[in-house]
Amino acid sequence: EVQLVESGGGLVQPGGSRRISCATSGFVFSSYQMNWVRQAPGKGLEWVSFISTTGSTEHHADSVKGRFTISRDNTKNSLYLQMNSLRAEDTAVYYCVREAAQDAFDIWGQGTMVTVSS
Amino acid sequence: AIQMTQSPSSLSASVGDRVTITCRTSQGIGNDLGWYQQKPGKAPKLLIYAASSLQSGVPSRFSGSGSGTDFTLTISSLQPEDFATYYCLQDYNFPRTFGQGTKVEIK
Repeated sequence: EVQLVESGGGLVQPGGSRRISCATSGFVFSSYQMNWVRQAPGKGLEWVSFISTTGSTEHHADSVKGRFTISRDNTKNSLYLQMNSLRAEDTAVYYCVREAAQDAFDIWGQGTMVTVSS
Repeated sequence: AIQMTQSPSSLSASVGDRVTITCRTSQGIGNDLGWYQQKPGKAPKLLIYAASSLQSGVPSRFSGSGSGTDFTLTISSLQPEDFATYYCLQDYNFPRTFGQGTKVEIK
């Protein structure tokens, strides 16, 4: 069974840092591009970051550029999001998402909640 | 960034109704658009990719159409389990952008 399981969410103070992780199983992780998508409480979906299969290419939303870094470890079948200089507006559920052929976001994790508050 | 205009933002419909949701993009994107369904407290689920291709396991009452700047998601006969929020997503370029969402409620 294909699975994406996020972890690492929690309460963070404004200006602080947090790294969230996504453990994957049931598919050849190194063959898939991956993304992070977030959803603030009661709001819509916002794409955050993309990483290529080898990790050589990244893209980020303007709202997080320069503060967030996406990475992956293909030996551990895991995806990461390092979040620095966190702001209240970064409060959201963060989803790990697999990108299939034709760029479809075909598999989503259950999400991990990050709350930025003092 | 490509702007997405999804409409309506919400609608009320009855079981058995035909429902149509539209998504308009600020520039042409070919057929690089997907549709996603999200139920409360759950992760989104892929319904349609490449504008009109049905994801495996998704009921055939869901269909997508369009290309360029105008796209449509149609539910041919609304079922109780279809009451949810629907989003379009362009995957033509970066940054990826979602529509604002359409909440489908029970009339």
